[in-house]
Amino acid sequence: KQEVTQIPAALSVPEGENLVLNCSFTDSAIYNLQWFRQDPGKGLTSLLLIQSSQREQTSGRLNASLDKSSGRSTLYIAASQPGDSATYLCAVDDYKLSFGAGTTVTVRA
Amino acid sequence: KAGVTQTPRYLIKTRGQQVTLSCSPISGHRSVSWYQQTPGQGLQFLFEYFSETQRNKGNFPGRFSGRQFSNSRSEMNVSTLELGDSALYLCASSLVGNVNTEAFFGQGTRLTVV
Repeated sequence: KQEVTQIPAALSVPEGENLVLNCSFTDSAIYNLQWFRQDPGKGLTSLLLIQSSQREQTSGRLNASLDKSSGRSTLYIAASQPGDSATYLCAVDDYKLSFGAGTTVTVRA
Repeated sequence: KAGVTQTPRYLIKTRGQQVTLSCSPISGHRSVSWYQQTPGQGLQFLFEYFSETQRNKGNFPGRFSGRQFSNSRSEMNVSTLELGDSALYLCASSLVGNVNTEAFFGQGTRLTVV
């Protein structure tokens, strides 16, 4: 059974600092890995999709890496802003999405 | 282009009743998956439909069921509601599901069972 872990569970940083969010998974037989953002009481917003054959994916201030062999992914958010405050979830796709519990980020102005 | 639409947004039901939730995927997407989100268990996979057929199923009791119509819209039904079914129910659509395609989620239906 796929287990997905996200560390840390919560993070508080001053505006402008870079964010590093970690995700690990136990079974490397995945199709892809996706990072999402969730605001309180809302649905999930897709941030980045990394296919299993890729090592990295970038979108604006966001960069995500994937190391399938070690079962790890890292999401980097550069120059954080208060609007980045949210819960960030990673999900690995085998035949379904298996989610971590998320990292709740607070960016202080 | 319109995103994934879930209706209703909020529901309050009584124990023992049944409920039907609806999900309209992004136009052209044929795969619809349902997830339950609770504070204790996080996000858990319920089932996935593709071309009107249930393709995958999570570990939920038979009280949870779904279907998909020819236009790819999907409904989820929960019968004999229990207090523990209170959750945010999210649906996701993707082009074909599984194979390296991005999943897009709706805003969810918040179900409260009293």
